[in-house]
Amino acid sequence: QVQLQESGPGLVKPSQTLSLTCTVSGGSISSDSFYWNWIRQPAGKGLEFIGRISTGGGTNFSPSLRSRVTISVDRSKNQFSLNLSSVTAADTAMYYCARSGVMGGYIFDSWGQGTLVSVSS
Amino acid sequence: QSVLTQPPSASGTPGQRVTISCSGSSSNIGTNTVTWYQQLPGTAPKLLIYSNIHRPSGVPDRFSASKSGTSASLAISGLQSEDEADYYCESWDDSLNGPVLFGGGTKLTVL
Repeated sequence: QVQLQESGPGLVKPSQTLSLTCTVSGGSISSDSFYWNWIRQPAGKGLEFIGRISTGGGTNFSPSLRSRVTISVDRSKNQFSLNLSSVTAADTAMYYCARSGVMGGYIFDSWGQGTLVSVSS
Repeated sequence: QSVLTQPPSASGTPGQRVTISCSGSSSNIGTNTVTWYQQLPGTAPKLLIYSNIHRPSGVPDRFSASKSGTSASLAISGLQSEDEADYYCESWDDSLNGPVLFGGGTKLTVL
């Protein structure tokens, strides 16, 4: 049973870059046909897809965030990471990492517990 | 405002059957499959239904779903108190809104 765990700073200053890491255990991040995703949820609001990276390194992003998002994979550490630049208060949210690909490319079958990131000076 | 439209709330009493709708368009639900997630209070979302109608292992058969045209619905029969949660629909989108969209979520209250 794969498990995912987010980590990173809980507080980021406006205009800076938000950086989070998701550590995958119970399976290899290099396994074929999987995608590794970032999804966020502002407090009391709905879910928003941020982007994903495939085991081959290909990426897909939300159109509204594409210009500020980078997602990368570190196979040696079985981790993938999110960088979101030029953050504002609107980026304050719970950030989840999730796996997809077992049932379909955008079917998120395993989720991390989430990490809360606040953007404030 | 989400491109996939869900009612913000729904409710029912124990044992009842409740349904939650999800309305989209030809570029998402009309063309692609629908996924449903359950988010219990204070927890991460959990996959509930995929490919319109299929339940992952471990999801009770009280949960069922359907899709017709550009709309989908989730049904919960034999409602239980532990079903009180937020429910989200999701679909891939072929327009500039894509690649994937979530509904705004429906908060289900068990009275």
